[in-house]
Amino acid sequence: DADVTQTPRNRITKTGKRIMLECSQTKGHDRMYWYRQDPGLGLQLIYYSFDVKDINKGEISDGYSVSRQAQAKFSLSLESAIPNQTALYFCATSGTYNEQFFGPGTRLTVL
Amino acid sequence: SQELEQSPQSLIVQEGKNLTINCTSSKTLYGLYWYKQKYGEGLIFLMMLQKGGEEKSHEKITAKLDEKKQQSSLHITASQPSHAGIYLCGADGSGNTGKLIFGQGTTLQVKP
Repeated sequence: DADVTQTPRNRITKTGKRIMLECSQTKGHDRMYWYRQDPGLGLQLIYYSFDVKDINKGEISDGYSVSRQAQAKFSLSLESAIPNQTALYFCATSGTYNEQFFGPGTRLTVL
Repeated sequence: SQELEQSPQSLIVQEGKNLTINCTSSKTLYGLYWYKQKYGEGLIFLMMLQKGGEEKSHEKITAKLDEKKQQSSLHITASQPSHAGIYLCGADGSGNTGKLIFGQGTTLQVKP
C-alpha cells in the first residue's frame, strides 16, 4: 500500500464550488505539505504543518485553507473554486533529513 | 528568497547516451534533493545530498553537490526509455526549515 494517499485522484468542478482534497499518510511523519504544480512552474507550496497544532501558510495560500485532523491526515480546501486554481495538487510528508515523500497527486479542473 | 534554476529545461537523447542535468541555486545550499516525476504522477525521491563534494549513485544515476558553486548535477549513464520523465531538484531554502523550494523541472525524453 502507498505511504501517502490522496483522494480524489481527479476532480472536475465549477467556479464558486467548495471542494476538499484529502491526504493520508502511514509513514508516521509529523510534517505534511500541500503543493500545486502548474506546467513550467515547478511546485509551489500552499500550506505546511509541522504537527497537528502547527499550521503555516506557504507561498500561495490565498484562496486555500487546510485542516490537520490528525498526525496522519491533512486536508486542503478551496472555499470558492476559480478557474486559475486548475492544477495538479500534491500532498507530501517529510522525514528525518527533510526529504519529502509525495502522494500520487489530484488533478483538479475548475470550469 | 532562494531560487533554483534547472538546465536544460528539456532534453531529448538517444537510448544509450549519457546526459547531465544541472540545478543552480541563488543562495547557499543546505541540502539538495533530486526527484523524478512521470507525467501527471507523483514525485519519486531519488537522492539527497547534504555536504559539499558529496556524490551519490543509484543504479545508473549519479548526483553531485558542489557547494561553492551552489550547484548540483544529475548524470545518467547509458540512458534507457525508463529514464524518461521530469527531473526536479529541491533545496531547503534557509537551512533545516523543513520547507523545500523546487526548480522548474527538466523534461527528459529517451528515444529508443
